[in-house]
Amino acid sequence: AQTVTQSQPEMSVQEAETVTLSCTYDTSESDYYLFWYKQPPSRQMILVIRQEAYKQQNATENRFSVNFQKAAKSFSLKISDSQLGDAAMYFCAYRTGAGGSRLTFGEGTQLTVNP
Amino acid sequence: KAGVTQTPRYLIKTRGQQVTLSCSPISGHRSVSWYQQTPGQGLQFLFEYFSETQRNKGNFPGRFSGRQFSNSRSEMNVSTLELGDSALYLCASSSGSGAISYEQYFGPGTRLTVT
Repeated sequence: AQTVTQSQPEMSVQEAETVTLSCTYDTSESDYYLFWYKQPPSRQMILVIRQEAYKQQNATENRFSVNFQKAAKSFSLKISDSQLGDAAMYFCAYRTGAGGSRLTFGEGTQLTVNP
Repeated sequence: KAGVTQTPRYLIKTRGQQVTLSCSPISGHRSVSWYQQTPGQGLQFLFEYFSETQRNKGNFPGRFSGRQFSNSRSEMNVSTLELGDSALYLCASSSGSGAISYEQYFGPGTRLTVT
């Protein structure tokens, strides 16, 4: 079974600075997808960024980028120029490429952005 | 396109009762997944329906069941409610097939409180 681990329950960052959230996963599969979701106080889960395992290039979405290390099974999220609206719980998630839409989530990292 | 909708948003039930939650996916999406979110267990996968068939199932007791209709709307039912069933229940939809089938979009959730 696949597992996802987020070792940082809480992180904080100053507005306009950069922060990196860590995620490791365990799988024996070669085809899979990785995601970062954001859950603000409204509890609405929002997709931040995705990474296909077969792609070597790290995904980037505006101020959000990932560092995908397939051999190390590591998938960290970097948020640049942090904004107050980035404050939320961030979840790392894994999805098999074998079919189906089941997501396996990490425990989450609560990000605080200080003005 | 309208997003994923879930009804009701809040629900209070008594132990031993049963409850039905509803999820309407994004138009054109054929896959609907359900997740339970609690402070203690985090986000856990319940089941996924695709084209009216259960495609994946998580490790939950038989009291938790679901179904999907021909218009892709889905319902989940919990019978004989227990205090531990108090949680935020999230529904997510995806196209279920094709290159971007791995992108899931979440609804706002149903907050169930069992007293």
